[in-house]
Amino acid sequence: ETGVTQTPRHLVMGMTNKKSLKCEQHLGHNAMYWYKQSAKKPLELMFVYNFKEQTENNSVPSRFSPECPNSSHLFLHLHTLQPEDSALYLCASSQGTSGSYNEQFFGPGTRLTVL
Amino acid sequence: GQNIDQPTEMTATEGAIVQINCTYQTSGFNGLFWYQQHAGEAPTFLSYNVLDGLEEKGRFSSFLSRSKGYSYLLLKELQMKDSASYLCAVLDSNYQLIWGAGTKLIIKP
Repeated sequence: ETGVTQTPRHLVMGMTNKKSLKCEQHLGHNAMYWYKQSAKKPLELMFVYNFKEQTENNSVPSRFSPECPNSSHLFLHLHTLQPEDSALYLCASSQGTSGSYNEQFFGPGTRLTVL
Repeated sequence: GQNIDQPTEMTATEGAIVQINCTYQTSGFNGLFWYQQHAGEAPTFLSYNVLDGLEEKGRFSSFLSRSKGYSYLLLKELQMKDSASYLCAVLDSNYQLIWGAGTKLIIKP
């Protein structure tokens, strides 16, 4: 595997379900990100991890819970989601967070539908 | 607040040149990125500007004016495969990327 991988690619869940999204990067990067992408809206940064430490949490509801066990893996745990949480969830990684080191490499995303 | 503005949609003809503009108001500036995103795919990096001026990379060029809070992406010799959304993003003083909503570029034969 190369680059940034995400699983699953598609997920349909009920509002009472618990599920997890997984991201893995094979680029030796130190920073990893979760984004939410909704139609015709800017990418919304959710969480940033740098050297496994969470450095940003942009007022994300607690029904989204990130986990970063090491620099290569990032999870997003989901529970009691709402229909408005339906979106494309993108994971990205970068060498660092400053200047050109912030060039981000994205995974293919997970298309989430909440019923 | 922080804001990135770019046109929602543009149309151009195959073989022609198109310029996609981006204006920004952010708390601090540590560089500006352009990404390309084909429908149903992840964004991919195109360019990074931190100093004023033009950066050329093949058929694509990116320009930055920090004093005007302005950038553009110039695409030459347009090909059908250039049909995509183009995202402008600014790295602010907290090293957080602030994203525009993207410009959907439609290429016609």
